[in-house]
Amino acid sequence: EPEVTQTPSHQVTQMGQEVILRCVPISNHLYFYWYRQILGQKVEFLVSFYNNEISEKSEIFDDQFSVERPDGSNFTLKIRSTKLEDSAMYFCASSPGGLGETQYFGPGTRLLVL
Amino acid sequence: DQQVKQNSPSLSVQEGRISILNCDYTNSMFDYFLWYKKYPAEGPTFLISISSIKDKNEDGRFTVFLNKSAKHLSLHIVPSQPGDSAVYFCAASDGGGADGLTFGKGTHLIIQP
Repeated sequence: EPEVTQTPSHQVTQMGQEVILRCVPISNHLYFYWYRQILGQKVEFLVSFYNNEISEKSEIFDDQFSVERPDGSNFTLKIRSTKLEDSAMYFCASSPGGLGETQYFGPGTRLLVL
Repeated sequence: DQQVKQNSPSLSVQEGRISILNCDYTNSMFDYFLWYKKYPAEGPTFLISISSIKDKNEDGRFTVFLNKSAKHLSLHIVPSQPGDSAVYFCAASDGGGADGLTFGKGTHLIIQP
């Protein structure tokens, strides 16, 4: 069964450093998403991406965040200058698209900012 | 601003019995609801969904009920099995494919032997 994959599974970085989180969505899906879950809190939507551009973004997704689909398979989330409060699990998801389509999540990347 | 609420942080059920997980929402624009199951250190796994035009959807041991007038949905698992022990998240969407899901805080279901 096709699944969303994410790399790395864990990332430790120093405050102020740039990080890139990578995702490979399910191959025939059209919509891609990033979510995060800070420890002990709920899963929060960051951004959705369709047709090579951002479709929706939340208040969390400020100028330090960017997303890209550099090739036909990868979908990346870049955090330009990490802060301590960026420490969280970051989940990538994809969906086939259209109304009421289920989003399928990857296993997540645990980011720790020191 | 909790648009999706799961008021029970945890629920303990005996193996073989029915597990009922509840979820309330406040945004009347939500028209698609999903339940996800999550184990520690893994991503949310899709379980079952329901569109706002229906009041029930069933898939094997899992049934989701939607009461639009009460803005309430519930997930029934019967019979409950040890492997069902996990955190269950209710999520909602108010539009098409581009919209992010709004999640509840989750309910930790513990199935006791």
